[in-house]
Amino acid sequence: NAGVTQTPKFRILKIGQSMTLQCTQDMNHNYMYWYRQDPGMGLKLIYYSVGAGITDKGEVPNGYNVSRSTTEDFPLRLELAAPSQTSVYFCASSPHAGGTQETQYFGPGTRLLVL
Amino acid sequence: EDQVTQSPEALRLQEGESSSLNCSYTVSGLRGLFWYRQDPGKGPEFLFTLYSAGEEKEKERLKATLTKKESFLHITAPKPEDSATYLCAVQAIHLAAGNKLTFGGGTRVLVKP
Repeated sequence: NAGVTQTPKFRILKIGQSMTLQCTQDMNHNYMYWYRQDPGMGLKLIYYSVGAGITDKGEVPNGYNVSRSTTEDFPLRLELAAPSQTSVYFCASSPHAGGTQETQYFGPGTRLLVL
Repeated sequence: EDQVTQSPEALRLQEGESSSLNCSYTVSGLRGLFWYRQDPGKGPEFLFTLYSAGEEKEKERLKATLTKKESFLHITAPKPEDSATYLCAVQAIHLAAGNKLTFGGGTRVLVKP
């Protein structure tokens, strides 16, 4: 199993450009998440999904959009990139619910620089 | 609002020098407290989940404990390979859906040989 994979690893965007961060998991997990991590800070939840076709906002959703058409994929879309979106983005997944199955497993991250 | 505060922000240890990291939390009903390890340039790696006060879990040189207000991660006789950022997160019972986690800012640990 590859677990959670993310592409690209690193990207530089100009202000106003758009891009999609890809996330795929092969563990058949229902729940998927997008977080951002700023230097020296903890992770903040952007969006999450409890299953295909169902998404909801997290703590910091402004400037981002998501979709979940399959169990495996959960892309994050930045429409008009701003310098404030410079960050490291992590995708995570977890099984349905209950006991240790609530553990979230993280991908390697995408580092985004907006200039 | 759920809150997690970790201290210290950074910790420099000599190899073999045991120490503890603190994670204080405020949550309206704890479903679970999670510890993760994060190496530079990588995603967080799951270490432990604690569910109730008094619970303890161990993995190699790491031991996590939980009270009603805080959790400690004890590092016993650390080695340089234990150098990493350690993240604490809580999951609240009141969540309608999603198993969402609230993270603390992390403690950066550097173990010198």
